[in-house]
Amino acid sequence: DGGITQSPKYLFRKEGQNVTLSCEQNLNHDAMYWYRQDPGQGLRLIYYSQIVNDFQKGDIAEGYSVSREKKESFPLTVTSAQKNPTAFYLCASRGGAFQYFGAGTRLSVL
Amino acid sequence: LAKTTQPISMDSYEGQEVNITCSHNNIATNDYITWYQQFPSQGPRFIIQGYKTKVTNEVASLFIPADRKSSTLSLPRVSLSDTAVYYCLVGDMTNTGRRALTFGSGTRLQVQP
Repeated sequence: DGGITQSPKYLFRKEGQNVTLSCEQNLNHDAMYWYRQDPGQGLRLIYYSQIVNDFQKGDIAEGYSVSREKKESFPLTVTSAQKNPTAFYLCASRGGAFQYFGAGTRLSVL
Repeated sequence: LAKTTQPISMDSYEGQEVNITCSHNNIATNDYITWYQQFPSQGPRFIIQGYKTKVTNEVASLFIPADRKSSTLSLPRVSLSDTAVYYCLVGDMTNTGRRALTFGSGTRLQVQP
């Protein structure tokens, strides 16, 4: 069935390690987004991509990197430069007037 | 970016109607108003969207006055499963860039038995 798949559901990062969160969509959407959500807070935009091979920084891009080599895929790498990575990460895509969200990845630091 | 203001939290009882109001004083001509629902540890889910007057679907109604500076999400006869955070977003839905994507802190609705 159509939708957005995020994996893994839970992820643990060791200090100094880079980790990559996967986001795949089969909705044929051009625009994709990554958000970060801290406990009790709203969503903050990390990066977004309006088309393949193009992406733009959001409000809190420092310590993160993305790529958009395929329309279906928009992986997010949390680098060692992100000193407080513990959060819930949400990927979304946009078709027409609506955003569709994945189920999220919860990242914790060991 | 059109900023939105919502109550931080609301309490209700099962079977009651709940109205959540969102203020968006600097809404632009091309902006639409969209509401999402989020349960803990899940991604937000689209509820309803409108431009002006009233919109109704099987889940909720959205009331937008003529000046469009506010909107009210109405949930009829809430149940315990409606306990969630509700986000109001205002943005140009024809624009896939940054401008349409601002989430506030939302309104935390707690439904009691």
